[in-house]
Amino acid sequence: DQQVKQNSPSLSVQEGRISILNCDYTNSMFDYFLWYKKYPAEGPTFLISISSIKDKNEDGRFTVFLNKSAKHLSLHIVPSQPGDSAVYFCAASAETSYDKVIFGPGTSLSVIP
Amino acid sequence: DAGVIQSPRHEVTEMGQEVTLRCKPISGHDYLFWYRQTMMRGLELLIYFNNNVPIDDSGMPEDRFSAKMPNASFSTLKIQPSEPRDSAVYFCASSSTSPKGEQFFGPGTRLTVL
Repeated sequence: DQQVKQNSPSLSVQEGRISILNCDYTNSMFDYFLWYKKYPAEGPTFLISISSIKDKNEDGRFTVFLNKSAKHLSLHIVPSQPGDSAVYFCAASAETSYDKVIFGPGTSLSVIP
Repeated sequence: DAGVIQSPRHEVTEMGQEVTLRCKPISGHDYLFWYRQTMMRGLELLIYFNNNVPIDDSGMPEDRFSAKMPNASFSTLKIQPSEPRDSAVYFCASSSTSPKGEQFFGPGTRLTVL
């Protein structure tokens, strides 16, 4: 059973608009969340993270929102650029073992020029 | 500084053959992770090491899979015998000691078992 879910396999957005990628988790022990970005033929690269003591973390065009009660987080990209087209993985870990990161299945984002 | 290095980048083999995937982590990193990516299951953690010692291998699918880390700069993931369902992209990643450390991924090995 997947502990980290990304229910949208793909998403298309116009350049300049907002991209919203969603993620849900089931394990209430998770208290640290990450987003990774992956281009074809490359490994994933770290994008942004958030601790459960926060509900928002911002880094340039990227903002992650966390709703602990709903066990839901989202990644907002504003404005979206063609170079943002990639697969985005949501990931989570727990204080008991921060080394062990559980990844979601990924959402493929296409930003249309 | 070179990133995580994996070899080979592509491997095509026949069912029943032994496959060995190799990884060189970033120098100074204490943790090394092996992941497998498939369409059905996404990115799965297979096993990870800390200071060359296996910490958690609960994600290793079967006894056909084994991983070693003989020293801080080298790790292998072996599949023997290989089966078509092992076809996937295998990633190696490394990170530093600090808790919640960002993991740095290699480019992956695309394995095809015929």
